[in-house]
Amino acid sequence: DAGVIQSPRHEVTEMGQEVTLRCKPISGHDYLFWYRQTMMRGLELLIYFNNNVPIDDSGMPEDRFSAKMPNASFSTLKIQPSEPRDSAVYFCASSNKPGLGIYTFGSGTRLTVV
Amino acid sequence: AQSVAQPEDQVNVAEGNPLTVKCTYSVSGNPYLFWYVQYPNRGLQFLLKYITGDNLVKGSYGFEAEFNKSQTSFHLKKPSALVSDSALYFCAVRDRGTGFQKLVFGTGTRLLVSP
Repeated sequence: DAGVIQSPRHEVTEMGQEVTLRCKPISGHDYLFWYRQTMMRGLELLIYFNNNVPIDDSGMPEDRFSAKMPNASFSTLKIQPSEPRDSAVYFCASSNKPGLGIYTFGSGTRLTVV
Repeated sequence: AQSVAQPEDQVNVAEGNPLTVKCTYSVSGNPYLFWYVQYPNRGLQFLLKYITGDNLVKGSYGFEAEFNKSQTSFHLKKPSALVSDSALYFCAVRDRGTGFQKLVFGTGTRLLVSP
């Protein structure tokens, strides 16, 4: 298995533009998590899905952020409109044993909003 | 809420020396504790977990961690550090909310192993 695949690896966009981050989880993993990593706030859980259904989105910063999982092999995190404070590394992780704390993370998308 | 604290932003150790990366936890109920490692420009990788049983748990790459209930600690250790161990290390705890499926991570500790 190729692991959790995220795209793009790097994204630079102008303030106000829409940004879409993509994630392909490991086949057979029924949980998918989106995390954001910044120097100031560390790793924050934004939202997670179980069997394509959003379970907890309490970490989503505001209405500018939205996430979808249309099928078991694909998820998107969208920011519209983007702001400079959204600059961070966004990680996607998947798991089939979340209760055991075993996640597989993707390599992340480094987002820079200028 | 469940939480973990990593008191050191950075730990410096010479290659061949033992290393310890500290973590303390605050939980209600039995703690489920974890260590992850992040190499530059990579995602986090699972190292080891403590759920129950022996207080000394062994993980990947020669790492181990010691669970201490009285001190509410879960320190990561390795007997002999390698330069390639230089990375960012995260302690994590399983959160009680929404069916125990979420991990809450500490702020991370950067380990720097010098040759």
